[in-house]
Amino acid sequence: EDQVTQSPEALRLQEGESSSLNCSYTVSGLRGLFWYRQDPGKGPEFLFTLYSAGEEKEKERLKATLTKKESFLHITAPKPEDSATYLCAVKDGSEKLVFGKGTKLTVNP
Amino acid sequence: ETGVTQSPTHLIKTRGQQVTLRCSSQSGHNTVSWYQQALGQGPQFIFQYYREEENGRGNFPPRFSGLQFPNYSSELNVNALELDDSALYLCASSFGDRELNTFGSGTRLTVV
Repeated sequence: EDQVTQSPEALRLQEGESSSLNCSYTVSGLRGLFWYRQDPGKGPEFLFTLYSAGEEKEKERLKATLTKKESFLHITAPKPEDSATYLCAVKDGSEKLVFGKGTKLTVNP
Repeated sequence: ETGVTQSPTHLIKTRGQQVTLRCSSQSGHNTVSWYQQALGQGPQFIFQYYREEENGRGNFPPRFSGLQFPNYSSELNVNALELDDSALYLCASSFGDRELNTFGSGTRLTVV
């Protein structure tokens, strides 16, 4: 059974303090690893899809990387508006996404 | 291009009642998936509809059922509501088996 574990559960940073979020996964036949951002009471907002080990993608202050067992979401010089819950999900050959519980990021000014 | 819209945004029901949640998929998308997100948890897959047929189901009992209409909009029905059904229900649409899912803002269901 596919499993996704995210760490830490919560992270507090000062504005400008860079850090990384971790997503460890086990999946039979990875068809994609997804990062989403979710604001309170809202649906997940798509950030990145990674397909194979070694792949990297960037968007503004965010950079996602992928190995055979885990993915990292690096946040460089975060701002208060980056505060949100970041969700990681994997897809195998089936129709469903399997999500982790998320990392709640708080960036203080 | 319109996104995924869900209605209602909030709903309060009594245990034992039935509820219907609605979802309009993003323009050009023909596949709709439903997820349940309990507080502090990640979304869990309920089922997916493609061309009006159920195309996969997660570990949810039969009292969770759905429909997809010719215009690709969808409904999620839950019978005999239980307190544990209180959650944010998310609808996501995609085109065929393309991995990118666009999520709606969800319906917050509270069962009392």
